[in-house]
Amino acid sequence: ETGVTQTPRHLVMGMTNKKSLKCEQHLGHNAMYWYKQSAKKPLELMFVYNFKEQTENNSVPSRFSPECPNSSHLFLHLHTLQPEDSALYLCASSQEVSTGYQPQHFGDGTRLSIL
Amino acid sequence: GQNIDQPTEMTATEGAIVQINCTYQTSGFNGLFWYQQHAGEAPTFLSYNVLDGLEEKGRFSSFLSRSKGYSYLLLKELQMKDSASYLCAAMDSNYQLIWGAGTKLIIKP
Repeated sequence: ETGVTQTPRHLVMGMTNKKSLKCEQHLGHNAMYWYKQSAKKPLELMFVYNFKEQTENNSVPSRFSPECPNSSHLFLHLHTLQPEDSALYLCASSQEVSTGYQPQHFGDGTRLSIL
Repeated sequence: GQNIDQPTEMTATEGAIVQINCTYQTSGFNGLFWYQQHAGEAPTFLSYNVLDGLEEKGRFSSFLSRSKGYSYLLLKELQMKDSASYLCAAMDSNYQLIWGAGTKLIIKP
């Protein structure tokens, strides 16, 4: 139990569907992150929120839309995805986005498959 | 550009010692993290180094040389449960983590 919970664990969707991924952290952290993990590739940072404000958007296509209603919850809304978007999507949290020693705590991820 | 290199896969024997190397090139440097990730599970934090030298934590130790842009994770008395991927990540001047692709460690009896 890492203190970060992601739902669903698995998701299969067609390219025209709309779905959302949910992340909730119970650690009292103020920063939350979305990552994409593809096989044999480094983690790709997608979005960062610090105290509910988006501080980073790493050139992510608009078919991915994040939402952070409060410091404990983070969503990733998916719309008109492509087959290359199939991957493991990881949510993480840390005390805040600031200096040095701030280990990120990860959820188990959502395994997304696009048909 | 920013880059992390680590071996794709390593094999070791139960009870032995293994060293997983990581080299990094980043714009500025604010520390080096190691994470462990079992298949289908979350990455979990193992260690953090920001000063040169060796940090020991039970069976696991992590080493950093800032002048060489080099780190290693040393695992002693290997157990079957240590079979996992080990992720190296360097924090750059903007406090962003630059990740390696991970090293899959296979432990054989």
